[in-house]
This record gives sequence, structure tokens and C-alpha cells, in this order.
Amino acid sequence: SQTIHQWPATLVQPVGSPLSLECTVEGTSNPNLYWYRQAAGRGLQLLFYSVGIGQISSEVPQNLSASRPQDRQFILSSKKLLLSDSGFYLCAWSGFGGGNEQYFGPGTRLTVT
Amino acid sequence: AQSVSQHNHHVILSEAASLELGCNYSYGGTVNLFWYVQYPGQHLQLLLKYFSGDPLVKGIKGFEAEFIKSKFSFNLRKPSVQWSDTAEYFCAADSGTYKYIFGTGTRLKVLA
Repeated sequence: SQTIHQWPATLVQPVGSPLSLECTVEGTSNPNLYWYRQAAGRGLQLLFYSVGIGQISSEVPQNLSASRPQDRQFILSSKKLLLSDSGFYLCAWSGFGGGNEQYFGPGTRLTVT
Repeated sequence: AQSVSQHNHHVILSEAASLELGCNYSYGGTVNLFWYVQYPGQHLQLLLKYFSGDPLVKGIKGFEAEFIKSKFSFNLRKPSVQWSDTAEYFCAADSGTYKYIFGTGTRLKVLA
């Protein structure tokens, strides 16, 4: 069966420090991968999606970047964190092609101090 | 612009009451519609989905949703809620691309 892992579960980082959040998927090949930010009362905001290795699409201009170095690995990064980067970050995958249901990871709670 | 709206932000019901959560979307052309649920301390998971065909879709745990194209709606229903249905519910839409759009969510609290 397919599983999705995210780490760390929680993270507290000072302003200006770098960020690296990792997401890996097991049990499937060629998944579409997604990074979302979830804010209370604001739903899920799509940040990045990827349909293949090295292929990243950004949905909103921001201080963050994403990379997909392997088929089932998706990384969310920042060179210098801002206070406004605090939030709950979710990774998800779906089957190849558009319009498929998504499967979500447990999320990472990021607090920038 | 494409959007998904959920008008009920917080809902409180007693056990055995009926539930209907509203979801409206703004999309041109074909749209795929989803309801996801997030139980306390758990991952977001799919409740049900609509791609085409019968507009009345049945999902897990007795939930159903009806796609009404003329109203751009995809409301979620359950005839009799249980305490274990306490969760946050998200409506989402996608037009066959990879740009899923989620509503702001509805927090349901069911009183035992």
C-alpha cells in the first residue's frame, strides 16, 4: 500500500534561518506531488506541484522554493525564513494525470520566531 | 477566477441530527469535485469525489454529496450524524489540471 511521510512533525526556527522540509512517498511510481500551506479558517493554499523529477510549478510568489530530486521525494525550502512563513505545511500525492484524488501526509507545524 | 466557497465555517449539531454542508464552486468547463475530512489528530482523507455520471455520490461513513450543475454546488449530506463525525470538512475542486482549489473548511462539532 502507499504511504506518505513528512518530517519533521514540528519545527521552530528563527527569522533568517534556512528551511528544509522533506516529503517521501512509498508504494507508487510517477506520483504528482504537492505542497500546501494550511491556515486556520483559510483552507489549504497550493504552493507548489510537481508532475515529474525536476519539474516544479509554483502557484504563489513567496519566500519558499521546492525541489524534486527523486521520483518520490519532494522538498520544501527557504534560504531565509520570514515570520509570515509560520504555518502548517502539508505534502500530498496523487496518481499521474490531473483530477485524481489526493493523499495527504501528517504535516509539519513550522513556527518562525 | 476559479474558486471554492464553503459558507458554513462552524456547525454544531446533536447526535442523530441531519447534516448538510454547503459548497459552491466557480469554474468554467469540466470540474472534478471532492470532499475531504480531517478528524482531530489525523491526516486529511477523502470522503467522496465526483468526476462524472450520477450526480449523487456516496462516500465513506454514510456521507453523500449531490452535484447540481445549474447551481454550481456540491453539498455534503448525512442523514444522522454521530459524535465521531466531529471533524473539519473541506470541499475541493479541480478542472483536470493539477491546480486543486480548496474551500476554507467547515468545523463540525457533534454533541453526544
